[in-house]
Amino acid sequence: AQSVTQLGSHVSVSEGALVLLRCNYSSSVPPYLFWYVQYPNQGLQLLLKYTTGATLVKGINGFEAEFKKSETSFHLTKPSAHMSDAAEYFCAVRGNFGNEKLTFGTGTRLTIIP
Amino acid sequence: EPEVTQTPSHQVTQMGQEVILRCVPISNHLYFYWYRQILGQKVEFLVSFYNNEISEKSEIFDDQFSVERPDGSNFTLKIRSTKLEDSAMYFCASSEGQGMGETQYFGPGTRLLVL
Repeated sequence: AQSVTQLGSHVSVSEGALVLLRCNYSSSVPPYLFWYVQYPNQGLQLLLKYTTGATLVKGINGFEAEFKKSETSFHLTKPSAHMSDAAEYFCAVRGNFGNEKLTFGTGTRLTIIP
Repeated sequence: EPEVTQTPSHQVTQMGQEVILRCVPISNHLYFYWYRQILGQKVEFLVSFYNNEISEKSEIFDDQFSVERPDGSNFTLKIRSTKLEDSAMYFCASSEGQGMGETQYFGPGTRLLVL
């Protein structure tokens, strides 16, 4: 079975500062990892995903994440936070062929301080 | 850009009543999903649907729940007799294929409140 742990239900950073949102996964098979973002009153939007190949994945809005197998991590980063980045961020894993579901973490609410 | 839509955005119902949540997936997508998020908890998988039948369901998806694709565009989730604990945000999602790296596109959700 797969699981995801997101450390920090709330993260606050100053505008222009580094954003780091943590995600650790557990999977008995090579995982496929996803980061979704949810803006207020909107659905979940895919930021980026790791399937195979390059471990550093670039997504939309300047976000990127690095898959580190040795640390079972897939942390999300952005060099310089913008006010528009305020949202809830969800890490998710999909681990077994034929098992279609995404298993989500509890989410991290990102607040940007002006 | 194509998107998944859901109606209604909010629904309030009395315990024991039936509710139907509606979704219009992206038009060329073949795989459909329902997830839910109880306030303050994780987004949880309920069911996946392909070729007019359920392909996978979670333990949450008991006999009170059913899904249907009544026509070529809509995908519905029915809860036959709602319970207080069914109060949650329900998300519909769709994907073009079933590959492991396939992106699931989510709708904005229906917030269901059972009184």
